[in-house]
Amino acid sequence: DGGITQSPKYLFRKEGQNVTLSCEQNLNHDAMYWYRQDPGQGLRLIYYSQIVNDFQKGDIAEGYSVSREKKESFPLTVTSAQKNPTAFYLCASSTLTTDRKNQPQHFGDGTRLSIL
Amino acid sequence: GDSVTQMEGPVTLSEEAFLTINCTYTATGYPSLFWYVQYPGEGLQLLLKATKADDKGSNKGFEATYRKETTSFHLEKGSVQVSDSAVYFCALRKSNYQLIWGAGTKLIIKP
Repeated sequence: DGGITQSPKYLFRKEGQNVTLSCEQNLNHDAMYWYRQDPGQGLRLIYYSQIVNDFQKGDIAEGYSVSREKKESFPLTVTSAQKNPTAFYLCASSTLTTDRKNQPQHFGDGTRLSIL
Repeated sequence: GDSVTQMEGPVTLSEEAFLTINCTYTATGYPSLFWYVQYPGEGLQLLLKATKADDKGSNKGFEATYRKETTSFHLEKGSVQVSDSAVYFCALRKSNYQLIWGAGTKLIIKP
């Protein structure tokens, strides 16, 4: 079955530590996204990528970094510069077609990051 | 800038009640509109979508009509079930593939 796989499901970070969240998709989607979800709030875009080896900052990119070396993979690193990293992180992907209005985003099941 | 406003939750209903979750938006042009659902501990799933004015999206008994004149995309269901308990998000698509999200509305259905 095609889909998006995020791992791990739960992750704990120590002070001053960088951690990397994995996101893999086998949907052959061009675009991939990382969102942060805090309790009672909507999703906020961290980074997105429309093509391999290219990515753009979203609304809350500070303290995060990404890479897009393969079409299938879009890992997110939460660096020690992110002072409030506790949240639910969601990865998504979508196809890019000439009809830009019609391709919804597909989501993984998320990674919950907590501070030790 | 573009924005999406949803009614605050939680919304608590009894089983078989009629559901409406309000969503209004501010945007230039004619963005596509979406409703996503998030079950506890999971990611989001696309529930329905509409791409132009007067379009009606529907899925699993849920419906929403794209109303350009009132800039609204309210979610409705005629008879809710306990299994519909979840958080519902309204979103609009910007032209560069980004989505603008509402804050989400938690729905609780009691048997």
